[in-house]
Amino acid sequence: KNQVEQSPQSLIILEGKNCTLQCNYTVSPFSNLRWYKQDTGRGPVSLTIMTFSENTKSNGRYTATLDADTKQSSLHITASQLSDSASYICVVSAKDRGSTLGRLYFGRGTQLTVWP
Amino acid sequence: NAGVTQTPKFRVLKTGQSMTLLCAQDMNHEYMYWYRQDPGMGLRLIHYSVGEGTTAKGEVPDGYNVSRLKKQNFLLGLESAAPSQTSVYFCASSGDRGRLDEQFFGPGTRLTVL
Repeated sequence: KNQVEQSPQSLIILEGKNCTLQCNYTVSPFSNLRWYKQDTGRGPVSLTIMTFSENTKSNGRYTATLDADTKQSSLHITASQLSDSASYICVVSAKDRGSTLGRLYFGRGTQLTVWP
Repeated sequence: NAGVTQTPKFRVLKTGQSMTLLCAQDMNHEYMYWYRQDPGMGLRLIHYSVGEGTTAKGEVPDGYNVSRLKKQNFLLGLESAAPSQTSVYFCASSGDRGRLDEQFFGPGTRLTVL
């Protein structure tokens, strides 16, 4: 069964600290993995995307890693800021060879709260 | 560029009432989607469209209908609202054939059915 599991469900950290969010998936055939950030009351916004051959991707203070063998990804946030408070959603795309449109599988998200 | 916009932002309905949610995008995207997001659950696909005049069912299509008469608009209809349809609804679009999985989301519509 195609699934995306994220941990922890919620996390509270102090401003300036680092944190790492986890994503495990059992999606096949794997096409890519994307991390989205969703601020309260807003729609999700893409942070990073990684394909099978990529094992790390950075976007400012956000660094995503991918281990396609163990089917695990992590999102590391460095020097957290109050504006990092949001839900972080892991999304895995499954796409058959020759298909143009993949099927997306969404994790339930990790709710991150950054305290001053 | 407004991106993806949704109207209305909030709505309260009584059981049995009908309504239409409107999604508009100005990025000339071919693909559009409707999702619902419930507490503690991931986004779930209701319906989607791969082009003007086409629609297809997603994961949770029951109780909803959609239409894509114009490329830039995607309408989601509830013919007879039920309390189980209380949720936040997100519209999204994608269009780059090389990066079709990058979906751009609207701000959401919060719907309460009493």
